[in-house]
Amino acid sequence: QQQVKQSPQSLIVQKGGISIINCAYENTAFDYFPWYQQFPGKGPALLIAIRPDVSEKKEGRFTISFNKSAKQFSLHIMDSQPGDSATYFCAASSNAGNMLTFGGGTRLMVKP
Amino acid sequence: NAGVTQTPKFQVLKTGQSMTLQCAQDMNHEYMSWYRQDPGMGLRLIHYSVGAGITDQGEVPNGYNVSRSTTEDFPLRLLSAAPSQTSVYFCATGQGYEQYFGPGTRLTVT
Repeated sequence: QQQVKQSPQSLIVQKGGISIINCAYENTAFDYFPWYQQFPGKGPALLIAIRPDVSEKKEGRFTISFNKSAKQFSLHIMDSQPGDSATYFCAASSNAGNMLTFGGGTRLMVKP
Repeated sequence: NAGVTQTPKFQVLKTGQSMTLQCAQDMNHEYMSWYRQDPGMGLRLIHYSVGAGITDQGEVPNGYNVSRSTTEDFPLRLLSAAPSQTSVYFCATGQGYEQYFGPGTRLTVT
């Protein structure tokens, strides 16, 4: 039973467009929601993260929107660039960031 | 400052063979963990350690053993490899809420 569900599995966006990836979780004990970015042949790297006491966090072109009542959160990539082409994972944790539970991943391709 | 290193990068095993995946970190973090990555499944936690001498099971521990004798090293042992253990394995370390992942080991069991 996957505790964090991620959609879509793959996404194609034109350069300059907005990429949106959605995640839903079940465990209300989760208190930390990071997004990781992974390039081929590399390990995942932390991109941006949010706590449930805020509804939105923005860092540059990347924004997390968080809906605690719906148990959903999403990643928005504004002005998407070909260099953003990667696999993105949402995750959740309830143990000081340890023991991350990951979503299934979204492979993003940004076309020039 | 290498961060998190993993060896080997690639490995092919026959069913029933054993091997150890190595993981080392120079970030002086107490927490270390092992994940496996399979298509469509994201990353799943195998084992983790909150410090030297302390280990615990994650979501998918069967078929794997770990030990933690030093802060720096956290090896993952496959006792008797099975085709279901074909995967990409990532070691991670962290302090607080940020986890740093190694480059991974791609393991194929035939």
